[in-house]
Amino acid sequence: EVQLVESGGGLVQPGGSLRLSCAASGFTFSTYSMNWVRQAPGKGLEWVSYISSSSSTIRYADSVRGRFAISRDNVKNSLYLQMNSLRAEDTAVYYCARDQSWNDVASVPNDYWGQGTLVTVSS
Amino acid sequence: DIQMTQSPSSLSASIGDRVTITCRASQSIYTHLNWYQQKPGKAPKLLIFAASSLQNGVPSRFSGSGSGTTFTLTISSLQPEDFATYYCLQYSSVPQTFGQGTKVETK
Repeated sequence: EVQLVESGGGLVQPGGSLRLSCAASGFTFSTYSMNWVRQAPGKGLEWVSYISSSSSTIRYADSVRGRFAISRDNVKNSLYLQMNSLRAEDTAVYYCARDQSWNDVASVPNDYWGQGTLVTVSS
Repeated sequence: DIQMTQSPSSLSASIGDRVTITCRASQSIYTHLNWYQQKPGKAPKLLIFAASSLQNGVPSRFSGSGSGTTFTLTISSLQPEDFATYYCLQYSSVPQTFGQGTKVETK
């Protein structure tokens, strides 16, 4: 069974930092690219960042570029999001989502999601 | 960036109604589109991928159609468990972009 479990959320002051983790199981993590997606309270979904299976390709939304850093550890089957210089507008539930597999043409982008972890940026 | 315009933003419907939600892309995304259902406090659940393919385990009352710039999600006969918010997602190019969402409420 595919499982994605986020952790690391919490309350942080503006300008602070936080590191989110996403533990993956039930599939060959090292072959899948991954995404972080967030949802501000009462709002819609916003894609945040993408990382390819080998970490060779990384992309960010304009709203977080230069402040957030995505990474992964294919030995630990884990995805990370380092968030620096946090702002009130970064307050959201952060989801990790499985993207596509390089060795499975039938894989579906963003088919499995974690339950999310809440990040609150407030003084 | 590709803009996804989803309509309506909300709708009221009754059990058994046929419900249609539309997403329009600002440029062609071929069939690189997913539909999701989200209930309060839960993660989005994939319903339809590649515009028209039903995800495993999803009831057949859900269907998707379209290609290029115009896509529709149809619920053929609304059930009590279908009251939720629905989102489209284009993955044709980076950044991936979502529609604004459609909240389906009881009439």
